Amino acid sequence: EAGVAQSPRYKIIEKRQSVAFWCNPISGHATLYWYQQILGQGPKLLIQFQNNGVVDDSQLPKDRFSAERLKGVDSTLKIQPAKLEDSAVYLCASSLIRGTTSTDTQYFGPGTRLTVL
Amino acid sequence: AQSVTQLDSQVPVFEEAPVELRCNYSSSVSVYLFWYVQYPNQGLQLLLKYLSGSTLVKGINGFEAEFNKSQTSFHLRKPSVHISDTAEYFCAVFEDTGRRALTFGSGTRLQVQP
Repeated sequence: EAGVAQSPRYKIIEKRQSVAFWCNPISGHATLYWYQQILGQGPKLLIQFQNNGVVDDSQLPKDRFSAERLKGVDSTLKIQPAKLEDSAVYLCASSLIRGTTSTDTQYFGPGTRLTVL
Repeated sequence: AQSVTQLDSQVPVFEEAPVELRCNYSSSVSVYLFWYVQYPNQGLQLLLKYLSGSTLVKGINGFEAEFNKSQTSFHLRKPSVHISDTAEYFCAVFEDTGRRALTFGSGTRLQVQP
């Protein structure tokens, strides 16, 4: 079974530029997550999709970050314009379904390391 | 709101020695608990999880963890570590109400020395 795919693996940009990250979840997984992992910290959830609908984007800085999952499969996370503090690893994860009384295991991709200069 | 505290940022240990990585959480509702491992330049991999039932949970690679509700802890243990266990370990909590999302601790770097 193929895992969660992410690209690019590394990206270096200057502040105020824009950048986009792509994620392809495990086949059949309805729920997709984007996390931000700043150096020395644990991952922080940015946004969560159930199929192609957003179920939680309370931690997404909506003035500069956007994400979409148009066909309920792969997803794109965009930052425009980038700031120095956006330097981090962006992790994508997927799970079978967002349960109502339990939680399903989240499977993580390798991440995209973003450096903003 | 839930929070997760991993008390040690780094744990050095010699190969074949036992190790314990500590995790405490705070929450006012029922929680599910997880340990993930992150090897260099890789994503997170699930080690083990506690959902219900026996408070002693066994995971992959010989790791186990014990859920202690009264002490709100979920410490990770391994009786004998290998060089290949060198990685970052994250404890995470999922609250089964409200936002219903994983909250991660800041991680513990396990460094196994020969």
